Amino acid sequence: AQSVTQLGSHVSVSEGALVLLRCNYSSSVPPYLFWYVQYPNQGLQLLLKYTSAATLVKGINGFEAEFKKSETSFHLTKPSAHMSDAAEYFCAVSSGYSSASKIIFGSGTRLSIRP
Amino acid sequence: KAGVTQTPRYLIKTRGQQVTLSCSPISGHRSVSWYQQTPGQGLQFLFEYFSETQRNKGNFPGRFSGRQFSNSRSEMNVSTLELGDSALYLCASSLYTSGSGTDTQYFGPGTRLTVL
Repeated sequence: AQSVTQLGSHVSVSEGALVLLRCNYSSSVPPYLFWYVQYPNQGLQLLLKYTSAATLVKGINGFEAEFKKSETSFHLTKPSAHMSDAAEYFCAVSSGYSSASKIIFGSGTRLSIRP
Repeated sequence: KAGVTQTPRYLIKTRGQQVTLSCSPISGHRSVSWYQQTPGQGLQFLFEYFSETQRNKGNFPGRFSGRQFSNSRSEMNVSTLELGDSALYLCASSLYTSGSGTDTQYFGPGTRLTVL
């Protein structure tokens, strides 16, 4: 069984500050991990995904995430927050190549940016 | 290339009624998944269709059903609506190259269903 936990339902940072959104996963097989962003009244958009290649994954809009197997973590970071980054962020896990695999989403972290 | 489209965007129904939501995937995408998003339960997987066959199903009652047509368009139906069915229903499509677990899913804007 797989699960994902996002620590902190709400994170607030100042514009220009480091963004760190935490995600820990549980998986009995090598996981595939995703970060999605959701802006108000919109669907989800993929930021980045880890599929067992490089452990440091670069995504869109300056975001990146590092897969740490020993810590079962896949935290999302951005060096300098921008007002346009305000949104809800979802971490997700799947078991990868399998016709029966499905993606399990975390509960989400709402990111606010202070001017 | 047009994105995933969902119709209608907003819907108001009363308890006991049934509803059908529609999803048109990105051209060339063969897999369509449905999710329910609520403030309390978050994003929950409903089901996935590929080549007109249901491949995966989440833990939802039988009142929730779906289907996929030969052109990959999908519909989901909820019968005997309950207040708790009020949610944002999201559809996502993917190419389904080697299995849904690794494919990038492209989400539509969702249908906001309110049950009174």
